[in-house]
Amino acid sequence: DTAVSQTPKYLVTQMGNDKSIKCEQNLGHDTMYWYKQDSKKFLKIMFSYNNKELIINETVPNRFSPKSPDKAHLNLHINSLELGDSAVYFCASSQGRVLVTEAFFGQGTRLTVV
Amino acid sequence: AQSVTQLGSHVSVSEGALVLLRCNYSSSVPPYLFWYVQYPNQGLQLLLKYTTGATLVKGINGFEAEFKKSETSFHLTKPSAHMSDAAEYFCAVTKSSGDKLTFGTGTRLAVRP
Repeated sequence: DTAVSQTPKYLVTQMGNDKSIKCEQNLGHDTMYWYKQDSKKFLKIMFSYNNKELIINETVPNRFSPKSPDKAHLNLHINSLELGDSAVYFCASSQGRVLVTEAFFGQGTRLTVV
Repeated sequence: AQSVTQLGSHVSVSEGALVLLRCNYSSSVPPYLFWYVQYPNQGLQLLLKYTTGATLVKGINGFEAEFKKSETSFHLTKPSAHMSDAAEYFCAVTKSSGDKLTFGTGTRLAVRP
């Protein structure tokens, strides 16, 4: 029973296209995140939502727009894809702000822009 | 702001040898520290974490780490490496619950037969 699931796992698309990555967690967590892992394996936070409210928005191009329809889902929409967007995108979730708990990660979505 | 430095992007050990992966952090507030492992083409899995209390924490797969405030370190160790330990290891820090994780650049562990 997958805790944090992302779809699709692989995404190959042409420059200029618009694409979405979906994420769902069944852990009952309040907070969800999007991280980007580049070709050198460096992981960097992009966004964080707590109970559908945006709480972290790092320096990310406006072409990236997260959407959280409910606290169990956090989708990532990317407009006008560029070659530099090629990376692995990880969704994660964690419990709320009361206790420090670890983040649970999805399997990742490997995005390749050609 | 928090930051994490992992010394050694690649570490190679023989099967059965000690594993030592280094992590130093910088934080303006008491940190919460984590080690994650990433197997090829997979997501990140938590190995262990330090929040408060005992500074020596034990995790899964025989790994442990010790929080040393005076050295601002949180090195990961395992007494005897196994072939299945070959993976990428990430140290991470956060300052509070629900806050973002700041990751180190990762250390790739290779285990030689």
